[in-house]
Amino acid sequence: QSVLTQPPSVSGAPGQRVTISCTGSSSNIGAGYDVHWYQQLPGTAPKLLIYGNSNRPSGVPDRFSGSQSGTSASLAITGLQAEDEADYYCQSYDSSLSGWVFGGGTKLTVL
Amino acid sequence: QVQLVQSGAGVKKPGASVKVSCKASGYTFTDYYLHWVRQAPGQGLEWMGIINPIGGSTNYAQKFQGRVTMTRDTSTSTVHMELSSLRSEDTAVYYCTREGVIVERVFDSWGQGTLVTVSS
Repeated sequence: QSVLTQPPSVSGAPGQRVTISCTGSSSNIGAGYDVHWYQQLPGTAPKLLIYGNSNRPSGVPDRFSGSQSGTSASLAITGLQAEDEADYYCQSYDSSLSGWVFGGGTKLTVL
Repeated sequence: QVQLVQSGAGVKKPGASVKVSCKASGYTFTDYYLHWVRQAPGQGLEWMGIINPIGGSTNYAQKFQGRVTMTRDTSTSTVHMELSSLRSEDTAVYYCTREGVIVERVFDSWGQGTLVTVSS
């Protein structure tokens, strides 16, 4: 069981908008630790997608956005494209564990 | 550009040890902490521990304490992760990853991953 909880899968048609939730607790997201999101294409290493809850690294399309409130965070993808089909992971820091924690991952399927 | 190039691993027998290396380039090695994260087949990401390249201090996830050792060699800008007493559940892809400086606790660069298979 992961410390951060994500839905196992989401899906959407090309052009649609999907959101992926990430639920934590008072020792991680709720304690004010930033949430970061990674995209993992099949057979490749994870890639930083969103950092500091809502910031995009250079080169990441603005179709990807992040938000955080309370003990939860969300990743939104608009204008869904076939190339967005991947696994998405949220990540934060947990003060009770004194370590970095991940969500279990969400598989995005573009229909 | 920042590169983390991994080497090592392969197939190991239960009870054996494995050592995976990660050579950093494209930045000042001592400016960034490095971490190890693993991913079992079809599973999610799991944080294993962190090493400070300046003094070599480490902090391991409780799950791996006593079995994992992370070291660094500043002369070659390389970090190593050794996992002992291997069991089948340790079969995974092991990644080294760099922690950001301006934004803390984020992994801004990743190695290509190294598959470790534990099998008799």
